[in-house]
This record gives sequence, C-alpha cells and structure tokens, in this order.
Amino acid sequence: DTGVSQDPRHKITKRGQNVTFRCDPISEHNRLYWYRQTLGQGPEFLTYFQNEAQLEKSRLLSDRFSAERPKGSFSTLEIQRTEQGDSAMYLCASSPDRGRVNEQFFGPGTRLTVL
Amino acid sequence: GDSVTQMEGPVTLSEEAFLTINCTYTATGYPSLFWYVQYPGEGLQLLLKATKADDKGSNKGFEATYRKETTSFHLEKGSVQVSDSAVYFCALTANRDDKIIFGKGTRLHILP
Repeated sequence: DTGVSQDPRHKITKRGQNVTFRCDPISEHNRLYWYRQTLGQGPEFLTYFQNEAQLEKSRLLSDRFSAERPKGSFSTLEIQRTEQGDSAMYLCASSPDRGRVNEQFFGPGTRLTVL
Repeated sequence: GDSVTQMEGPVTLSEEAFLTINCTYTATGYPSLFWYVQYPGEGLQLLLKATKADDKGSNKGFEATYRKETTSFHLEKGSVQVSDSAVYFCALTANRDDKIIFGKGTRLHILP
C-alpha cells in the first residue's frame, strides 16, 4: 500500500500527558499537511511542510503543539500537556509539487481522546 | 478570511432521487474548489475539483460547476445510490501552498 499512513490510529490519554503522532506521506511527495477534525466539523488546517521546512502554522496550533519533519520524509505531531479540548481526529495529507493545484492525499487519521 | 458554507445535514433521500448539496464560498483572488467525500470508516477522498470559473468537475456521476458570479459550487447527482451514503465536504484552496479550507460537511443518507 503506497498511501499516506498514520500511527497510531487511536490514542486515549489522560489530561496533562504528552502524545506524539506519526505520519508517513506518499513517497516523493514533498508537501505534508496536518489538519484537525472535531466531531461534526470539517477538517481545519494546522500546519504545512515543504520538504523539511515548516512554512506555515495556524493560530490553532498553540505553543503546546509542535510538528517536525526531519529529512523531509515522515512527520511527527506532538501535543504537550494535553487538554480535553484536544480530543479530535488528527489528519495528515501529502501532495506533490507539480503544478498550480496539487491533489492532497489523506491518511486515515489518528483519533485522540483525552480523558 | 476565506471560508466555505455548505448546507447542513443530515440529508436523507430515497435511492434514485436527485441530489443537490449547496455550497458557497468567500475568498480573495481566484480559488480552486473541491468536493471531498468521507465514507463510513474511511479517510477523506477527493471526489471532484474545478480550478477556474465555469469549469465543471465530475466523477462517479457527481457534478459541480464553478460559478464565480454567485460564488457557488453546488454538488449534484441525477440518481443516488445507497453506496453514496457518506459525509460530503465542500472546500477551497486560495493560495499556492494548497492549504485546504473545508466546509462543515453534509451527511447524506440514502434509503433503499
């Protein structure tokens, strides 16, 4: 399977704990995006990488959130001191950079539940 | 800022009925418009897209036309099937970075 993969698929944690999610994009896709989707809402943009450079961060990404993409391959999203409001589906997507409009391919998501 | 507004669901139709899901947008410049679909238990998939005014995107019997004058991108299908039951998201990208702005989604139920 050469699609976008995310790990873990589900995470349950207690408030105040740190969590880290991983995203493996489609090989050779140099753009990688993180989105967050809460129940009954559409996905909301969090951050974006072009290769290893983090080019944009949403104001939704508080200082408790950090994302990395070392070597421009997989990416990690860490949430420190989790809060109940962080409970959501975290989606990763990747795209090539080949033209004016590039289709983003989404992974299955990581569902986070903060107790 | 840029935004997408789509009709709220759930929408319930009988099989073979005609479907319209309304979507309007607000954006500076000339956005590209998309419909994404999320089937139960699956990830988001691109259904169709249109990149400039008057373009019509189509796929799997679904169609949507980019209407700049009404800032709309309504999704239509002439005869829905039970397998079309899913959540549909209207979306746009307005910048070169392709960041997607999604609507809230419309849940569609098709009854046999």
